Amino acid sequence: DVKVTQSSRYLVKRTGEKVFLECVQDMDHENMFWYRQDPGLGLRLIYFSYDVKMKEKGDIPEGYSVSREKKERFSLILESASTNQTSMYLCASRGHQRHQPQHFGDGTRLSIL
Amino acid sequence: GEDVEQSLFLSVREGDSSVINCTYTDSSSTYLYWYKQEPGAGLQLLTYIFSNMDMKQDQRLTVLLNKKDKHLSLRIADTQTGDSAIYFCAETSRDDKIIFGKGTRLHILP
Repeated sequence: DVKVTQSSRYLVKRTGEKVFLECVQDMDHENMFWYRQDPGLGLRLIYFSYDVKMKEKGDIPEGYSVSREKKERFSLILESASTNQTSMYLCASRGHQRHQPQHFGDGTRLSIL
Repeated sequence: GEDVEQSLFLSVREGDSSVINCTYTDSSSTYLYWYKQEPGAGLQLLTYIFSNMDMKQDQRLTVLLNKKDKHLSLRIADTQTGDSAIYFCAETSRDDKIIFGKGTRLHILP
């Protein structure tokens, strides 16, 4: 079974802090994704990566950056956290074939005070 | 643009069948997915269907695809309390990403 692990289930940070959310997958997947999930808005794609050191902006990249130094790890960075970034963050990975589904981690519920 | 629509809420009595409906817009979608999200957890893949299929069955789950109307449904037979969750419909997009609906919250009545 595919295992996608997010480093924290719950995280509380302060406005202006630099925040790192980590995600690791164990299936040698090329593709990795970061979403945020908010009530009434569903899942929105922040960034994704097709390969090591490659990154692409999703639908809402503002205020975020990402890092993919190793194939198994995809990090989401909030450069200067703001209260409107309080949300549930979901990481996913997928193999290289288009038909393969995305597999999700358990999510990180991030609160910015 | 590409969009996936589904109703936000569904209430079903325990033991009845649940039918969750979804419409999508991209006729070129090759794969359509159903995910389940339990409270406080990530999305769990339930099943997916290739666009050249009309139906797929897996134990209590039946997926029906009407390509002409771009309509996808998920039927859960003999609904149990453990089926209470949010169900997401999703399609593959032209640029190889997945487009998700906003999710249908399934509530089970005793």
